[in-house]
Amino acid sequence: EAGVAQSPRYKIIEKRQSVAFWCNPISGHATLYWYQQILGQGPKLLIQFQNNGVVDDSQLPKDRFSAERLKGVDSTLKIQPAKLEDSAVYLCASSLTPRGDTQYFGPGTRLTVL
Amino acid sequence: GNSVTQMEGPVTLSEEAFLTINCTYTATGYPSLFWYVQYPGEGLQLLLKATKADDKGSNKGFEATYRKETTSFHLEKGSVQVSDSAVYFCALSGGGGSNYKLTFGKGTLLTVNP
Repeated sequence: EAGVAQSPRYKIIEKRQSVAFWCNPISGHATLYWYQQILGQGPKLLIQFQNNGVVDDSQLPKDRFSAERLKGVDSTLKIQPAKLEDSAVYLCASSLTPRGDTQYFGPGTRLTVL
Repeated sequence: GNSVTQMEGPVTLSEEAFLTINCTYTATGYPSLFWYVQYPGEGLQLLLKATKADDKGSNKGFEATYRKETTSFHLEKGSVQVSDSAVYFCALSGGGGSNYKLTFGKGTLLTVNP
């Protein structure tokens, strides 16, 4: 069974530029999550989708971050404009349902904002 | 809100030593508890989980017991190997309301020397 795919694996941008990350969850998984993991900290949930609807985006900085999950399969997370403090690893995860099922994580995208 | 506190690292052990990584949590109700592991250059993987009080999760020689009276979920292994070198994250989900998002601790870096 293929795992969660993410691209790119690494991205370096200047502050105020925009960037987008892509995630393809495990086939059949209805729930998709985006996490931000700052160096030395645990992952923090940014947004959770159930199919193509948003379940929780309470910690998403909506003035600069946006995410979509068209057709309820793959998803993109965008930052525009980026700030220095956005430097982090962005993790995508998926699960069969949102009700406490095991979450499977992708390898992450390491973003460096200069 | 929910929170997880785990032992600060880094932890350095010799091969075959005994490992304990402490984890305590704050949550209302009855959360599910998890240990995730992140090997160098890889995504987070579920190591073990427990969904109710007194449950013991186990995998790959690692164990953790859900102790509601002490709100703890300490990770143990009797004899570590070099291949266990990784970052270990304690996490919880649920515990009140309908939100099953994962809340992570900051992670503990384990290095096992031959």
